[in-house]
Formats: sequence, C-alpha cells, structure tokens
Amino acid sequence: DGGITQSPKYLFRKEGQNVTLSCEQNLNHDAMYWYRQDPGQGLRLIYYSQIVNDFQKGDIAEGYSVSREKKESFPLTVTSAQKNPTAFYLCASSPTGGDTGELFFGEGSRLTVL
Amino acid sequence: SQQGEEDPQALSIQEGENATMNCSYKTSINNLQWYRQNSGRGLVHLILIRSNEREKHSGRLRVTLDTSKKSSSLLITASRAADTASYFCATVTNTGTASKLTFGTGTRLQVTL
Repeated sequence: DGGITQSPKYLFRKEGQNVTLSCEQNLNHDAMYWYRQDPGQGLRLIYYSQIVNDFQKGDIAEGYSVSREKKESFPLTVTSAQKNPTAFYLCASSPTGGDTGELFFGEGSRLTVL
Repeated sequence: SQQGEEDPQALSIQEGENATMNCSYKTSINNLQWYRQNSGRGLVHLILIRSNEREKHSGRLRVTLDTSKKSSSLLITASRAADTASYFCATVTNTGTASKLTFGTGTRLQVTL
C-alpha cells in the first residue's frame, strides 16, 4: 500500500557531524516537503520540491541541504552549520494538480545531538 | 513564520464531552485544514474547509470558518479516549504543484475515561 517512509526513526549525532534523513514515497506525488517540529512551536518548513531536480528554501533552510534526483526520494542533510539540530523532522508530499494542498506525512525522524 | 495561533494550548475533558479548538490566522487564505498528531507520530489530515465555505462536517468533526475574523474552530463531539492527540490548523495561501502550508502551534487534547 502507498505511503511515505522516513528513516531512521531515531538518530543520534555528535556535534560537528552531518547526518542525512531519508524520505521515500510511492504515492506518485510530484511535490515533497521537509518540516521541523520543536515542542510548542508547531511545524516550520525547511525545504520543498515541486519537481525532480528542483527545490526551494522554506522558512528555516539555513544549515540544511536537500536533493531531488528521483521523484520518489527527497533526502534531507542536517549539516554541522545547523546550530540547534535536535528536533523532530517530518517529511510530507502532496498530490500533483490538487487544488487543496493536502499533505501526506511520514512518521517522522527524531534527531538528537549529543 | 507561524500563520496560525491555536487556543487553547491544552485541553482536558472527559470521555463523552465535546472538545472545541480555535485557530486564528493573519493573511487571506485559499483553504484551512486541520490535522491530528498522535504523540511521536506523523500528522494525519482530518478535514479541509475552503475560503468560500462557512461550515463543514465529517463524522464527529465540525469545522467552521469566519474569514472576516480570520478564525476557524474545530469541534469534536462525543469525545473518546482515542481522540487524545495534538490538533493543528494549517492555512494554504496558494495551490498548485506545491502548496505551502503554514501550521499553527497546536492544541493538545487529553480525553480521560
């Protein structure tokens, strides 16, 4: 059955290390998104991609990078330049040509910096 | 930037009671959506209301939208313990291939037996 798969579910990182979070979808959606969630702050948009080989910065892109080489995949790299990376990261996708903007979410990846 | 602010931040009720959550936003919207998040999980879409609609129902959910006041409310009737979760409103200002949703800060609902 279709859905969005994020991995790993839990990740620990030492300061100064880059880490990559995986997001794969088999919903045939063109658009994909990465959100960050901190306690009490809701979700904030990091990056989004409308189509393969194209992506745009969201509201909090500094310290993050993405790639979109395949329609199904939108990995997020948390670089050492991100000063406060400990958070819950959510990947989402939306249907092509939809007029509602409804998002379909993965189960999230929790990153902890030690 | 946070578009929506939700009220209350936390709500505790007993099973069988109704739960009402409110959301306020700042700019003109195309539609407003409500999502549910169980602790430590992803978000799940519940219901959507377009800017030209005033009320919408889905099962035990009722959503209202007042564009003049830039506010929306989500009512869950006859609540159950399984409704315990965080609820987020999200506004959409444009639709197309990629629609940027802006989320509120959420209401944590606790339903006790």
